[in-house]
Amino acid sequence: AQTVTQSQPEMSVQEAETVTLSCTYDTSESDYYLFWYKQPPSRQMILVIRQEAYKQQNATENRFSVNFQKAAKSFSLKISDSQLGDAAMYFCAKAGGSEKLVFGKGTKLTVNP
Amino acid sequence: EAQVTQNPRYLITVTGKKLTVTCSQNMNHEYMSWYRQDPGLGLRQIYYSMNVEVTDKGDVPEGYKVSRKEKRNFPLILESPSPNQTSLYFCASSPRGQQWDEQFFGPGTRLTVL
Repeated sequence: AQTVTQSQPEMSVQEAETVTLSCTYDTSESDYYLFWYKQPPSRQMILVIRQEAYKQQNATENRFSVNFQKAAKSFSLKISDSQLGDAAMYFCAKAGGSEKLVFGKGTKLTVNP
Repeated sequence: EAQVTQNPRYLITVTGKKLTVTCSQNMNHEYMSWYRQDPGLGLRQIYYSMNVEVTDKGDVPEGYKVSRKEKRNFPLILESPSPNQTSLYFCASSPRGQQWDEQFFGPGTRLTVL
């Protein structure tokens, strides 16, 4: 079974600081997509960022960026200038080709004022 | 407003009493899917549908049924709910029949089976 692993069940960061959330995955596909979803206390799932595996350039969305290491099958999320509103569960996910969308177990991020 | 809606948002029921959780999207999306979220397990796919009248099993389909008679609706049916189906359920849709599109999620349904 294809898996997505988030090795940090919980992380914390001081407001205005930078934090990196880890994600590794396995796949037999050469072309696939990777995602980070945010789930705030409202429970709404929100797409934060998406990376296409064939693109070497790391995706960025404002304060959110990824470090995509295809050979290492690693897809970490960096949040810069952390804000209180960034506190949430973050899920890494992967899909592509014949593979269904698979989620990791999540990392709970706490932002301390 | 473009959205995915689910009803009910909260449901407490008893073992064996059939129930349906509705899901509707107003974005003309081809792909729809159901997930369940359990603590420490993340989201797991139950069923998905690439288009009308086309459905397929996800990773945890046992105890669930779905149908896709119309493009906008994708109800989740529990014929005989059991306590291990107590969970948070999400419906999602995406524009094309591809799993790698961005998925738009509903607000979730908290189900408790006693």
